[in-house]
Amino acid sequence: ETGVTQSPTHLIKTRGQQVTLRCSSQSGHNTVSWYQQALGQGPQFIFQYYREEENGRGNFPPRFSGLQFPNYSSELNVNALELDDSALYLCASRSSGGLYNEQFFGPGTRLTVL
Amino acid sequence: QKEVEQNSGPLSVPEGAIASLNCTYSDRGSQSFFWYRQYSGKSPELIMFIYSNGDKEDGRFTAQLNKASQYVSLLIRDSQPSDSATYLCAVNMEPPLNSGGSNYKLTFGKGTLLTVNP
Repeated sequence: ETGVTQSPTHLIKTRGQQVTLRCSSQSGHNTVSWYQQALGQGPQFIFQYYREEENGRGNFPPRFSGLQFPNYSSELNVNALELDDSALYLCASRSSGGLYNEQFFGPGTRLTVL
Repeated sequence: QKEVEQNSGPLSVPEGAIASLNCTYSDRGSQSFFWYRQYSGKSPELIMFIYSNGDKEDGRFTAQLNKASQYVSLLIRDSQPSDSATYLCAVNMEPPLNSGGSNYKLTFGKGTLLTVNP
């Protein structure tokens, strides 16, 4: 297992609600990325945080937002939940600098929107 | 729209055989290529990465890259039932020598389900 942890493991929400997902990066990792994986699909990049700032974003609307804290942990916030937001949300962390650094995925949070 | 294409499978091979997984990508600017394994209900784990044309071997796994054909493959020799999983191909625009904060967006394919039969 990697040192990346996510909470909660599972979550059920209703359409229109808001949700916050949390990620603790592996020790020494200062870059965190979030991915959405719908059933039967590959993960899709949502955004990346480095030094507490978003420095890369995929094709997701503004209601997907995030934070990174000084200890490099991160949150993913989704407002106005839609049924299509039901997915596995993956957090991945890595260190920066040097020749290729492996990105480690956490176990994910399974979000169901009813 | 940058795309990564994989056969969804399922690909079924007998134990001990060679499993061949294929992936094509649309963006010629892609510079780094990755194979992840994902067991059902689990998160992806990195098997191999490659960024130069040719073959790269690691144990039973060999990654092959052909940038001219925009094609990357993964061979699994002596396949074992424990290899049964979904294999995800991913590409990145960044070179392997990354600087702090470089955008590490990975574009994934949908994955190929591999079943190794005992």
